[in-house]
Amino acid sequence: SQQGEEDPQALSIQEGENATMNCSYKTSINNLQWYRQNSGRGLVHLILIRSNEREKHSGRLRVTLDTSKKSSSLLITASRAADTASYFCATDANAGKSTFGDGTTLTVKP
Amino acid sequence: DGGITQSPKYLFRKEGQNVTLSCEQNLNHDAMYWYRQDPGQGLRLIYYSQIVNDFQKGDIAEGYSVSREKKESFPLTVTSAQKNPTAFYLCASTNTGELFFGEGSRLTVL
Repeated sequence: SQQGEEDPQALSIQEGENATMNCSYKTSINNLQWYRQNSGRGLVHLILIRSNEREKHSGRLRVTLDTSKKSSSLLITASRAADTASYFCATDANAGKSTFGDGTTLTVKP
Repeated sequence: DGGITQSPKYLFRKEGQNVTLSCEQNLNHDAMYWYRQDPGQGLRLIYYSQIVNDFQKGDIAEGYSVSREKKESFPLTVTSAQKNPTAFYLCASTNTGELFFGEGSRLTVL
């Protein structure tokens, strides 16, 4: 069963704009992670946020976590065409088993 | 360089044949995972192993088998019992919760 659900399914923006994607989940978690996948490639880890953290930054990425609402958001600021990819959230609730959502496909137009 | 290697990248199989996908890592990670990804969807967990000579079924283990005889290696066999094996298969490893992925193997059943 899918633990994480991303929203929106697809997002199209202009270069320079910010992109926000959301993830909701159903059960208590130890941590939540965001990954990026370019078409036909493996996933690349972006950021991990633990259940006792509320916000985390990494370069142009900002992740928030609201455990009371069981949701997280990923903000990419000043987007670039190279940010075009699918983004997945993964929740770790059970001994290292990460459960992935269906992802948000981001298209950044030059 | 340290990393995780999957082979082959593309594989074609006739119905009724078993095929084995290779996954090798030199990151000294204890835990290894196999995921299946169908078009436009997220990752579903097939099998995982947290230590040598031990592995557990994931959410969609039917029709698949694995072994973990060495720390570095976690091969996946797609058996003829798997009714819909055409998919993109991803292997991952971790020691810290952050998953490191291979580049994937795309299996097509003819």
